[in-house]
Amino acid sequence: KNQVEQSPQSLIILEGKNCTLQCNYTVSPFSNLRWYKQDTGRGPVSLTIMTFSENTKSNGRYTATLDADTKQSSLHITASQLSDSASYICVVSDRGSTLGRLYFGRGTQLTVWP
Amino acid sequence: EADIYQTPRYLVIGTGKKITLECSQTMGHDKMYWYQQDPGMELHLIHYSYGVNSTEKGDLSSESTVSRIRTEHFPLTLESARPSHTSQYLCASSDAGTSTDTQYFGPGTRLTVL
Repeated sequence: KNQVEQSPQSLIILEGKNCTLQCNYTVSPFSNLRWYKQDTGRGPVSLTIMTFSENTKSNGRYTATLDADTKQSSLHITASQLSDSASYICVVSDRGSTLGRLYFGRGTQLTVWP
Repeated sequence: EADIYQTPRYLVIGTGKKITLECSQTMGHDKMYWYQQDPGMELHLIHYSYGVNSTEKGDLSSESTVSRIRTEHFPLTLESARPSHTSQYLCASSDAGTSTDTQYFGPGTRLTVL
């Protein structure tokens, strides 16, 4: 069964600290993996996207890694800011069908305290 | 910021009412999607469209219907709302011509059925 599991479910850190969010998936065949940021009451916004051949990608203070062999990805946030408080969703695309189906994780709820 | 809009943002209605959630995008994307999201849970695809006059049901069974008469417009209709329909509804679109097929999400409609 194709699944995307994220950990931790929630995380609280102090402003200025770093953190790492985890994503494990069983989706096959794998096409790409995205990290989205979803602010409360808003739609998700894409942060990074990685294909099979990419193992790291950065977007400002966000750095995503991908290990396609172990089917794991991580999102590292450096020098956290209050505006980083949001849900971070891992999304995997299988391209096994014409739809290019997306599998969503439940997200990690990050709270940054001053 | 993606050019995809949803109205209303919040809606509280009584059981049995007919409602239409509006979604429009100005990016000229062929693919459009409707997702349902409950708090702390993953997004579930309920409808999608590959273009004008094309609509398909998604993975999650839904009593809603959709139409795609114009490229930019993808409304979702509930003929008779029930409390079980209370949820957040997210509309998204993507460009079928790109290899990554990133989905851009609207801000969502928070529906409460009393």
